[in-house]
Amino acid sequence: QVQLVQSGAEVKRPGASVTVSCKASGYTFNTYGIVWVRQAPGQGLEWMGWISGYDGNTYTAQKFQGRVTMTTDTSTSAAYMELRSLRSDDTAVYYCARHKGGRDGDNWFDPWGQGTLVTVSS
Amino acid sequence: QPVLTQPPSVSAAPGQKVTISCSGISSNIAANYVSWYQQLPGTAPRLLIYDNNRRPSGIPDRFSGSKSGTSATLGISGLQTGDEADYYCETWDTSLNDERVFGGGTKLTVL
Repeated sequence: QVQLVQSGAEVKRPGASVTVSCKASGYTFNTYGIVWVRQAPGQGLEWMGWISGYDGNTYTAQKFQGRVTMTTDTSTSAAYMELRSLRSDDTAVYYCARHKGGRDGDNWFDPWGQGTLVTVSS
Repeated sequence: QPVLTQPPSVSAAPGQKVTISCSGISSNIAANYVSWYQQLPGTAPRLLIYDNNRRPSGIPDRFSGSKSGTSATLGISGLQTGDEADYYCETWDTSLNDERVFGGGTKLTVL
């Protein structure tokens, strides 16, 4: 079955960087994209960006531009999201999800990884 | 503040039907397809509805979606206690460089 498995929880100091991995299985990795979404404690979902599983093209939400780098490794069917210059308000669960489609339809995020808790604390 | 507006909470009894609204503007909901996600307590979100009203395989037909103008609606009929969850709408926003935006989420309580 299609599955995304993310790396484990992280605790980081303010100003540090964190990399979350997302290992895909059960489908052809380079025929779908990956999106990254985060959820602060008790809050809603926030879209961070998208990366193509085919050619590595990325689209990062303006809020995260300059702090986020998304990459893929097609040889291992994995995606990575690095967030730099961490602040306390970056404390959140970070999710990856498989993405298909565009604005002309058949567009969705499914399935989602189990989530990775990143805690930023001094 | 979330770009899309959802009621913070809704409630209904088992077996009844509930609707959850998602309000936007011309640059997001009116111009694009809407998806809905269910997040059970302590779990990752799950796709419920995409392209306004299409259900992925495995999602029961108790769940339905619709869109009119700048608003979208998720309907859940035959409510079950297992439907207690947070529900999020999502779409693009062309005024935000085509970024994807979520609603603030709606907590469904099945009384």
